[in-house]
Amino acid sequence: KAGVTQTPRYLIKTRGQQVTLSCSPISGHRSVSWYQQTPGQGLQFLFEYFSETQRNKGNFPGRFSGRQFSNSRSEMNVSTLELGDSALYLCASRGVGGTETQYFGPGTRLLVL
Amino acid sequence: QQQVKQSPQSLIVQKGGISIINCAYENTAFDYFPWYQQFPGKGPALLIAIRPDVSEKKEGRFTISFNKSAKQFSLHIMDSQPGDSATYFCAANRNSNSGYALNFGKGTSLLVTP
Repeated sequence: KAGVTQTPRYLIKTRGQQVTLSCSPISGHRSVSWYQQTPGQGLQFLFEYFSETQRNKGNFPGRFSGRQFSNSRSEMNVSTLELGDSALYLCASRGVGGTETQYFGPGTRLLVL
Repeated sequence: QQQVKQSPQSLIVQKGGISIINCAYENTAFDYFPWYQQFPGKGPALLIAIRPDVSEKKEGRFTISFNKSAKQFSLHIMDSQPGDSATYFCAANRNSNSGYALNFGKGTSLLVTP
């Protein structure tokens, strides 16, 4: 089975721009979560989607948004980028029916200049 | 506010030694405690996980010890190998039946010397 894939792997943007990151979960997984990883704050939960519905949301400003499609693929969007948004953005998928393991993708490295 | 506190920040262990990483939490609603291993340039990978109704879980060289009353849990890596050199994160999730929102510790950078 293919793992979680994320595109693009690297991205450079300037302040004020917006960005969209994409995640394809493991086949059959319906839960997709997003995390932000920075050296200072570590790994922080952004949001979780399940069957196209946002089920949980972390403590991030409204500039961070996401969505999930009917095929479980997910996108996250960051508008009006700030320098502090530079981070590794990780997507994780999980099966259902009692399966607890979250499988992480390799991440998208975003640099905001 | 960091809901899961992890220590030490970095750890150096000789090959064959025991690596011990500790975590503490406050929220008694947490009901699932995984440990993740991350290599540079990769996403975190689940190592081992435990629920609060169990005090210890062992998988190969990796053991989680869980102390519910103290709200602490730790990862022990027995017979540490240079290939174990990575960053380790503890995490906690609450009310797992209603979804996942892992709260991570800040990570421990482990170096196992030959």
